[in-house]
Amino acid sequence: NAGVTQTPKFRVLKTGQSMTLLCAQDMNHEYMYWYRQDPGMGLRLIHYSVGEGTTAKGEVPDGYNVSRLKKQNFLLGLESAAPSQTSVYFCASSSFWTVGNQPQHFGDGTRLSIL
Amino acid sequence: QQQVKQSPQSLIVQKGGISIINCAYENTAFDYFPWYQQFPGKGPALLIAIRPDVSEKKEGRFTISFNKSAKQFSLHIMDSQPGDSATYFCAASRGTSGSRLTFGEGTQLTVNP
Repeated sequence: NAGVTQTPKFRVLKTGQSMTLLCAQDMNHEYMYWYRQDPGMGLRLIHYSVGEGTTAKGEVPDGYNVSRLKKQNFLLGLESAAPSQTSVYFCASSSFWTVGNQPQHFGDGTRLSIL
Repeated sequence: QQQVKQSPQSLIVQKGGISIINCAYENTAFDYFPWYQQFPGKGPALLIAIRPDVSEKKEGRFTISFNKSAKQFSLHIMDSQPGDSATYFCAASRGTSGSRLTFGEGTQLTVNP
């Protein structure tokens, strides 16, 4: 049982290049999230999805796009990478439950450097 | 704006000591307060969580203390061990499953042997 898998684990881009980060979960979770982690700033939500085919903006969505064509996959795209997008990106997923809160399960991150 | 503020940014404790990390929140609609633990090179993992209808929750050596009137909550790690060395994040959300988590800035804990 892999949980949440992120690919790639590391990537170096040049300013202006584009790329897609892939997140896959095998827990049949309804909700998926993309965060970025920067020193001293905690984790900030970029975009999230409450189900297949639906996405919504988080706290810091500018410069990113997402898609959730399949329930198990959540893609994060950078159309024109900027140095300010150098960060560690985490994907997470959680299940739906009408009572109480379900924990978010995180992948191990993608370390992205923009030169 | 940062709706959840966490302190200290870093903490060094001797083995066997008590580690205390504090968080304060602004949004009174928050009703779920988890703590996540993150080891280097790994993603955060849920450690312990509390809802505002209780003032304290204990799981092993880890305890959350919650003060609703002060809008503050804290994580206490008793008998701290070198294996507890990690980054700890407090967070808050409102509503039920799927709610967006707002994270604190994180505290890097080092437990010296």
